Amino acid sequence: DAKTTQPPSMDCAEGRAANLPCNHSTISGNEYVYWYRQIHSQGPQYIIHGLKNNETNEMASLIITEDRKSSTLILPHATLRDTAVYYCTPIYNFNKFYFGSGTKLNVKP
Amino acid sequence: DTGVSQDPRHKITKRGQNVTFRCDPISEHNRLYWYRQTLGQGPEFLTYFQNEAQLEKSRLLSDRFSAERPKGSFSTLEIQRTEQGDSAMYLCASTLGFAKNIQYFGAGTRLSVL
Repeated sequence: DAKTTQPPSMDCAEGRAANLPCNHSTISGNEYVYWYRQIHSQGPQYIIHGLKNNETNEMASLIITEDRKSSTLILPHATLRDTAVYYCTPIYNFNKFYFGSGTKLNVKP
Repeated sequence: DTGVSQDPRHKITKRGQNVTFRCDPISEHNRLYWYRQTLGQGPEFLTYFQNEAQLEKSRLLSDRFSAERPKGSFSTLEIQRTEQGDSAMYLCASTLGFAKNIQYFGAGTRLSVL
């Protein structure tokens, strides 16, 4: 199984960009990287995913290094509602996720 | 609201009792997953269904756990003879199962075993 490493917590000022790193050095060539977030007492919410190209949607941008061993989720203008635990997870066997412990992002006013 | 509903939201039971949780996925989704999440940890995979077939079970799923998905629609997760270590959030997710595999999660059932 490809495993991930994320910092346990990060702080970000409201209105600034939040850059959340993830190391997935054992990811295999056909595994996508997915990012989810979980706000307290809710189920995980899908944010974005990618294989090897950078991706952007209405929520965030995803930067994947050329060797695919790490990625960064960018929230361009963080708000207080973005305070959550963020998980990066490879899709293993095109099927199940491995979530790890995630990064607790604290957005401060 | 993702469209995946779980019932009940909270369950308190005494050790040794049996409990059953229900998950209603998004109607056109053919894959359904169960995860377990303990405090401070990310969700851990338990099992998944492709339509009504249970295709994979984690070794976390002991003999006391059983899951079904009759007719490929809703799913139930039963825990027999509950133990205090079963206390956790049980999450259900569904997906169309194609390459994008975006899993949509329910709000979960929080189980407390006293």
